[in-house]
Amino acid sequence: QSALTQPRSVSGSPGQSVTISCTGTSSDVGAYNYVSWYQQHPGKAPKLIIYDVSKRPSGVPDRFSGSKSGNAASLTVSGLQAEDEADYYCCSFAGSYTWVFGGGTKLTVL
Amino acid sequence: QVQLVESGGGVVQPGRSLRVSCAASGFTFNNYGMQWVRQAPGKGLEWVAVISYDGKNQYYTDSVRGRFTISRDNSKDTLYLQMNSLRAEDTAVYYCAKSVEEYLLLSFDYWGQGTLVTVSS
Repeated sequence: QSALTQPRSVSGSPGQSVTISCTGTSSDVGAYNYVSWYQQHPGKAPKLIIYDVSKRPSGVPDRFSGSKSGNAASLTVSGLQAEDEADYYCCSFAGSYTWVFGGGTKLTVL
Repeated sequence: QVQLVESGGGVVQPGRSLRVSCAASGFTFNNYGMQWVRQAPGKGLEWVAVISYDGKNQYYTDSVRGRFTISRDNSKDTLYLQMNSLRAEDTAVYYCAKSVEEYLLLSFDYWGQGTLVTVSS
């Protein structure tokens, strides 16, 4: 159960778009369409923003979108806003009822 | 609205035991699978354990299997994590979370605020 690989940090200016990658293997990201993304502000609990690769829970702005190709998933945040500054984690079902998280990416809004 | 409230964290010596709880409200608890995820201080998220809606099936990450037990009391809308033989590396904030869809264990949406477990002598 190795962690998924995410960039440690990404940044963008307000209004711009940024994409966060999440690389796994053929046993997790590549095998299942059950990739989730979580947003975590300092001192707060994680919040689900994308599940099943590209589905958005009710209340999550459509500025957040997810996709997957092969063993890699991506989260795109369009029209960056100051409140988007947070840590972002990907998570994938890895079979046999186990899950694996990425190491997290710090998004900085310049 | 959905609420998950963890409790029971604290400071415990290595080798000792602790049980943390997660009280659920705002949804039909006995229709949803539940999980525990932990986050060591300053570190990322780590999946720990999951339990089916009826409590009949439990699964664990390798590092806690045989030491931790996830359980639930559907009559009390409460999820538990019994942690035995605790180690320093178990120090973390422990979060509970509910599954997105009834009866399935695939993705998890609402999370509690977490409870801090510190293993130290």
